This record gives sequence, structure tokens and C-alpha cells, in this order.
Amino acid sequence: ETGVTQSPTHLIKTRGQQVTLRCSSQSGHNTVSWYQQALGQGPQFIFQYYREEENGRGNFPPRFSGLQFPNYSSELNVNALELDDSALYLCASSLGPGGPYEQYFGPGTRLTVT
Amino acid sequence: AQKVTQAQTEISVVEKEDVTLDCVYETRDTTYYLFWYKQPPSGELVFLIRRNSFDEQNEISGRYSWNFQKSTSSFNFTITASQVVDSAVYFCALIPNQGGSEKLVFGKGTKLTVNP
Repeated sequence: ETGVTQSPTHLIKTRGQQVTLRCSSQSGHNTVSWYQQALGQGPQFIFQYYREEENGRGNFPPRFSGLQFPNYSSELNVNALELDDSALYLCASSLGPGGPYEQYFGPGTRLTVT
Repeated sequence: AQKVTQAQTEISVVEKEDVTLDCVYETRDTTYYLFWYKQPPSGELVFLIRRNSFDEQNEISGRYSWNFQKSTSSFNFTITASQVVDSAVYFCALIPNQGGSEKLVFGKGTKLTVNP
């Protein structure tokens, strides 16, 4: 059974640029959630995708957007990067919704905005 | 509003000591779900346990045990005979039963350091 994978591992971008982060869900999981974790803080929910549709969104501006593909992998896009977007971005997959089921996390992408 | 409070920011113990990590939650829902995750230095969150609001039975898994008390809105986590490998940041989290997305609401975490 393949776990959740994310790419890239690290990324450095300049303020105002755009970035795309990728996530492959665990085998058999149809739901992907994205979280932002600032240094020293708990993860904050960005949004969740279920069968290619957004299934809930946290308190993040529209410049944070996402996609889920037919194979349930997902992308997180952030436009017009700001310094405060520097964080660890975590992707989690689950069998949900309808559980709720345990969310299994990937290793994260560390984004640094300069 | 939903909220998870982990009042202990950092805890340091010596190997073989028992340690309890506190978690207090707030929700207006009658049905909700509580979780504990471990985040080692590598960064990946590791699922430890899920508990629903109707099941107040305590659980033990090896050296780990969890104490769920609805009366005090607490879901505490105890590690018995701690080991150096237990060093990590531990997060308590809540999924309120609001329907729709199943977003995890995390506390700020407790950093546990187990010294040899």
C-alpha cells in the first residue's frame, strides 16, 4: 500500500509569484485535504476535495485554489505569494467523507517566500 | 466555535518516566470526533487514535493510553515508560459534526523531549 506523497519537498519563491504543490493520495482513498502549518503552530485547514469537487474551505483567500484529478491526486495553487505564505503545506488523504475517517498525511512541502 | 487547547507548549522528561499530554476541546456539537497525531522532526503527521463523542471508554495501546472525559471536555494522552523515540510534537485535533467537509481543527501542539 502506497502512502501519501507530496512534491516538491522544498521550494523557494519570490513574493508575487505563483506556486503549484502536488499530492498523491493513499491507494483506495478518494478524499484529499490540504493544511498550512506555520512554524510552531498547528496545521490550519485550507480546503478538501472529494471526487474532484471542493468539499469545504477554511479561512483562506481565493488566491489559494485547488484541483483534484480522476485518480484522486490533487494540486494546491497559490497566486500572488506573500511572505506570510511561508509554511509547511501538508496534504492528507482519507476514505471520507461520511466517516469521518482518519486522515493520513504526506511529508509536506516546505515553502519559503522571500 | 470549535477550538482545541493544548496548554503545555513543551515538556521535557527523562527516559522511562511517564508523561501526560493535556488536551481540552470546545464544540457545540453533540457528535464530534477527537484525534491525536504525532509529528516527528521529519515533519510528517502520524495518526495515533480516533475517538467519537459517544465512546468514553479509555483506550490503551502498548505504552500509549488515552483518557476521554466529556464532563471536562478533555482527551488526555499518556505515554508510559517514555523512550527517546517518543520525542516529537503531539497534536490533539477535533472534527466537529457540522456536515460537509471533515476538517481537522488542531491545537497548537505539545513538544515532548525525552532525554536519555
